Amino acid sequence: EPEVTQTPSHQVTQMGQEVILRCVPISNHLYFYWYRQILGQKVEFLVSFYNNEISEKSEIFDDQFSVERPDGSNFTLKIRSTKLEDSAMYFCASSEPKTGMNTEAFFGQGTRLTVV
Amino acid sequence: EDQVTQSPEALRLQEGESSSLNCSYTVSGLRGLFWYRQDPGKGPEFLFTLYSAGEEKEKERLKATLTKKESFLHITAPKPEDSATYLCAVQAGNQAGTALIFGKGTTLSVSS
Repeated sequence: EPEVTQTPSHQVTQMGQEVILRCVPISNHLYFYWYRQILGQKVEFLVSFYNNEISEKSEIFDDQFSVERPDGSNFTLKIRSTKLEDSAMYFCASSEPKTGMNTEAFFGQGTRLTVV
Repeated sequence: EDQVTQSPEALRLQEGESSSLNCSYTVSGLRGLFWYRQDPGKGPEFLFTLYSAGEEKEKERLKATLTKKESFLHITAPKPEDSATYLCAVQAGNQAGTALIFGKGTTLSVSS
């Protein structure tokens, strides 16, 4: 069964360092997303990506964040200068369009980012 | 502001003891309501999509229903392996691929 894969599963980084989280969405999906979940809190939307550009972003997704689809399979989230409050589980998700209907998003297993 | 509220926050059941989880939502223009299951340290696992009031979906011991203001996830004769956090999310707006707004979830514990 196709699935969204994320690497690494756990990343520890020092405050102020740059990190790149990687994702391989399901191959025939066209919409890609990043969400995050701070420990004990709800899943929060960061950004969506379609047709090689950002289609929607939340207030959390400020200038420190960027996304890229460097090739035909990978989707990345970069945090330029990490802060302690960036510590969270980051989930990548993907979905496919169905004309006139919503589409369910399928999530990866997440990358646990710890900023020290 | 679009909002999703789930209740209860936690629910303990004995194996075989049926119950329901509630998801109340406020959204301008509901495109879809989604139920996910999340195990500790894992990503949300898709369960159901509901599009319009009156719609019902079933999968094994789970049944999801939708009204204009809330959704229920009914669990019939649960087993210990049903223990997880169940997340409700809504999608609003008029475009495909828009953000999901999640509730905090209901953590279900089923003991044998």
